[in-house]
Amino acid sequence: SQQGEEDPQALSIQEGENATMNCSYKTSINNLQWYRQNSGRGLVHLILIRSNEREKHSGRLRVTLDTSKKSSSLLITASRAADTASYFCATATDSWGKLQFGAGTQVVVTP
Amino acid sequence: NAGVTQTPKFRVLKTGQSMTLLCAQDMNHEYMYWYRQDPGMGLRLIHYSVGEGTTAKGEVPDGYNVSRLKKQNFLLGLESAAPSQTSVYFCASSPQDRDGYTFGSGTRLTVV
Repeated sequence: SQQGEEDPQALSIQEGENATMNCSYKTSINNLQWYRQNSGRGLVHLILIRSNEREKHSGRLRVTLDTSKKSSSLLITASRAADTASYFCATATDSWGKLQFGAGTQVVVTP
Repeated sequence: NAGVTQTPKFRVLKTGQSMTLLCAQDMNHEYMYWYRQDPGMGLRLIHYSVGEGTTAKGEVPDGYNVSRLKKQNFLLGLESAAPSQTSVYFCASSPQDRDGYTFGSGTRLTVV
């Protein structure tokens, strides 16, 4: 069974708009990570947020973590066509350090 | 700076054939992983290694074997391929447990 689940499964926006996707997980975590995958390529690590952190920024990315609700969100501000990709959340628990991935959110940014 | 390199990139196998997927990393990472990616299911961990000479089972290890004779290389073997093993296989590495992973570009395997 999957630890993390992303919502929505698909998202279509126009350039310049913000894109928000959410991740819910089932058991307590050590950290939560977000990855991007362009079509036909490998995953690229975007950001890692630890269980004792609530918010983190990296360029146009903003990640929040609510451990009480077992959820995280990824916000991409001022989206660009190059942001078109699938985005995955992955969790590492204290008992199982290897990452478990959700099924991903497919984001399409149209010019 | 190659990062993680996977070979081959594409392969078609007949049912029952065997093959080995090679993963090489040049970042001196201790941890290495093999995942498979199927539509709508995200990535599932097949096997992993916490250092040279070590291997361990992940979530879906059946039908696969691995070896890590050298720190930089992690091999994934299919002894007798089955159509259910048609997938995209990704290798990844990380410096330590729970760190961010560096992924290879994947191997698309079709078993007919």
